[in-house]
Amino acid sequence: GAGVSQTPSNKVTEKGKYVELRCDPISGHTALYWYRQSLGQGPEFLIYFQGTGAADDSGLPNDRFFAVRPEGSVSTLKIQRTERGDSAVYLCASSLTSGWAYEQYFGPGTRLTVT
Amino acid sequence: KQEVTQIPAALSVPEGENLVLNCSFTDSAIYNLQWFRQDPGKGLTSLLLIQSSQREQTSGRLNASLDKSSGRSTLYIAASQPGDSATYLCAVVFADGATNKLIFGTGTLLAVQP
Repeated sequence: GAGVSQTPSNKVTEKGKYVELRCDPISGHTALYWYRQSLGQGPEFLIYFQGTGAADDSGLPNDRFFAVRPEGSVSTLKIQRTERGDSAVYLCASSLTSGWAYEQYFGPGTRLTVT
Repeated sequence: KQEVTQIPAALSVPEGENLVLNCSFTDSAIYNLQWFRQDPGKGLTSLLLIQSSQREQTSGRLNASLDKSSGRSTLYIAASQPGDSATYLCAVVFADGATNKLIFGTGTLLAVQP
């Protein structure tokens, strides 16, 4: 079956602009995660959804970052007033459910560049 | 602070050699540990998932072990091939809450020379 998909694959935006990044999880997966990976680093957790609700948003760096998952499937990560420090690869992952026994499957990522 | 560390940061070996990648974590209370592979400019591919109750998992030429008490995991790659060249990431779900967020190491960049 289809894996996790993310769009766009690349996004270049100017400082101060608003961007939206989209994630389509594996069909039937109820848990969805967003991570951010800076160059040369491992991914860092941003936010986790179980169904439609954000169960843990402790990794969001500040209030410019927001994510939604209105129907419990597709999720959108929204970044307001982008800064150059937001440049990174944004990764989305899904798992069958939130139980710790389940693997997380990652999408290819969206590379965001803020100029 | 819960952290995951991977050593070495980079490794270069000749084709055919067996090798070991190391991962250490600061808290022995974990739910699971996952090894991933990342190719340049790509997302993460899950290689092996070890539950906290398990000691090892195997898939083909890969074997991952887990020693919770010492906070260590190793990924053993047998008979390495140039196609194994990639960054290998170790990630842990710590048992400190309800969220199954992964805490990642910074990875080991592996180059297998033909």
